[in-house]
Amino acid sequence: QQQVKQSPQSLIVQKGGISIINCAYENTAFDYFPWYQQFPGKGPALLIAIRPDVSEKKEGRFTISFNKSAKQFSLHIMDSQPGDSATYFCAAKNNFNKFYFGSGTKLNVKP
Amino acid sequence: EPEVTQTPSHQVTQMGQEVILRCVPISNHLYFYWYRQILGQKVEFLVSFYNNEISEKSEIFDDQFSVERPDGSNFTLKIRSTKLEDSAMYFCASREVLPYEQYFGPGTRLTVT
Repeated sequence: QQQVKQSPQSLIVQKGGISIINCAYENTAFDYFPWYQQFPGKGPALLIAIRPDVSEKKEGRFTISFNKSAKQFSLHIMDSQPGDSATYFCAAKNNFNKFYFGSGTKLNVKP
Repeated sequence: EPEVTQTPSHQVTQMGQEVILRCVPISNHLYFYWYRQILGQKVEFLVSFYNNEISEKSEIFDDQFSVERPDGSNFTLKIRSTKLEDSAMYFCASREVLPYEQYFGPGTRLTVT
């Protein structure tokens, strides 16, 4: 059973454009939704996270939009840069401290 | 800035051998995790550890796997009898009780031949 579904699998965006990655979840008991950025050969690094009592969180060029009723959340990267090219994972934590990861989105920002 | 460290960075072992992967979490963190990532695939939760015991484990974490915090700083993952399909990157992560932010180590690439 896939607890967190992520799309698209890959994304190509022009420099300066907006990158949008979507995730959907099943378990209404999830209480924390982070996004991670991973470069090849490195561990995932926390980018931004949101709790379900908030509909949007913005940190610099990165925004999470959260729709509790639809059980969906998305990552928006504004003014995308070639340095943003990486794989992005959404995740969700249950109340037993287990984290479920999405399948990942490979982002390529063209200069 | 404090960081999670892992050793070794790459471990090659023969099928059936035991391996121990080591992690040093961030010093004031209380939750510890092991994850696995097969090449090009998603990050998979293996186990979480809190207060010197396993708090949650996945179906992947069978009797071949064990975790230990042998002293105040190290956190280890042992695979008793490695299989070819255990070849993957293994990441350790740690966090405080609150907030929930996990910090990942750089990973150990395990290759089973």
